[in-house]
Amino acid sequence: DVKVTQSSRYLVKRTGEKVFLECVQDMDHENMFWYRQDPGLGLRLIYFSYDVKMKEKGDIPEGYSVSREKKERFSLILESASTNQTSMYLCASSPRLNIQYFGAGTRLSVL
Amino acid sequence: GIQVEQSPPDLILQEGANSTLRCNFSDSVNNLQWFHQNPWGQLINLFYIPSGTKQNGRLSATTVATERYSLLYISSSQTTDSGVYFCAVEGNAGNMLTFGGGTRLMVKP
Repeated sequence: DVKVTQSSRYLVKRTGEKVFLECVQDMDHENMFWYRQDPGLGLRLIYFSYDVKMKEKGDIPEGYSVSREKKERFSLILESASTNQTSMYLCASSPRLNIQYFGAGTRLSVL
Repeated sequence: GIQVEQSPPDLILQEGANSTLRCNFSDSVNNLQWFHQNPWGQLINLFYIPSGTKQNGRLSATTVATERYSLLYISSSQTTDSGVYFCAVEGNAGNMLTFGGGTRLMVKP
């Protein structure tokens, strides 16, 4: 079975903090993705990566950056967390041009 | 970009009933997936179905790519089917999935 693991299920941070969300997949997938999910807005793509050290902006990259130093790990970084970044964050991975598999999600609250 | 619309937005069923969820998309696609998000937030793949028909137990899905829609059928619904069902498509341009707004299903015992 494919396993996509997100480091935290729940996270509470203060405004202005630097926040790291980690995602690890164990299936040697090329592609990895970060989404956020908000009520009424559905899932929106923040960034994705199709290879180590490669990244592409999604629909809402502002306020976020990403890092992919190893194939299995894709990190989402909030440089200076703000209250409007309170959300559910979902990581996914996929083989090239194929099914996406999701992690369990991280509920982030920024106070 | 590609637009994805799902209907109905909300659905309440009595246990044992059947239902059909619909996903319309605005352009040709090379990837279409149906997901179920359980009450704890986990998104589970149900089908990868850019065209044709597939069945998995009580669930089946049909995509008519030429008419730009997909249907998800749930038969003999159970309370564990409750949650949100998402359709997501990838257009011909690249690797990004675009999600529909979801159908929130509640199955009552």
